[in-house]
Amino acid sequence: QVQLVQSGAEVKKPGASVKVSCKASGYNFTNFHMHWVRQAPGQGLEWVGIINPSGGSTTYAKKFQGRVTMTRDTSTGTFDMELSSLRSEDTAMYYCARDIVLVPAAPGWIQHWGQGTLVTVSS
Amino acid sequence: DIQVTQSPSTLAASVGDRVTFTCRASQYISSWLAWYQQKPGKAPKLLIYAASSLDNGVPSRFSGSGSGTEFTLTISGLQPDDYATYYCQQYNSFSIAFGQGTRLEIK
Repeated sequence: QVQLVQSGAEVKKPGASVKVSCKASGYNFTNFHMHWVRQAPGQGLEWVGIINPSGGSTTYAKKFQGRVTMTRDTSTGTFDMELSSLRSEDTAMYYCARDIVLVPAAPGWIQHWGQGTLVTVSS
Repeated sequence: DIQVTQSPSTLAASVGDRVTFTCRASQYISSWLAWYQQKPGKAPKLLIYAASSLDNGVPSRFSGSGSGTEFTLTISGLQPDDYATYYCQQYNSFSIAFGQGTRLEIK
């Protein structure tokens, strides 16, 4: 079955960077886009961006452009999301989440979610 | 950017009720809309995609409708397990946006 296992919680100071990893298993790694979604405490869902695991192309939400980098490693079946210039407003649970639609068709629906990684930004 | 707005923000209903959630898109999105259920401390769960397609294993009491800019999620016969927060999500040109959510509470 599809499994997305994320790296552990992080505590960072303002201005630092954080990298969250997501190990995918149980399916063909290059067949489905991977999204990153975050949720601040007590708040709603916020889409961060998406990566095509086949070619590595990415699309980021405008809010995060310039601060976020998404990569994948096909040899290890792992996705990474790095967010830089952290501020207190970036404190949130970060999820990797797999799309439902086979590449290269347009993605759009998120069916499988990792367990989440809590990133806390505090001085 | 296309935004989606949900209403109401909170809804109180009783077991057995029929409840309807609304989602409005700021521009035409055809049927590029999904609905998710999220319980406290858990990741969201996909219920409906492409406006009206039920995801595998989702009970048939959940249904979605609409196209263009107005969409609804209906629960026919509310069950105790359905109390949660519900989000709509639109897709457009490799970009996604979530609504702010509707919290379903026990009446």
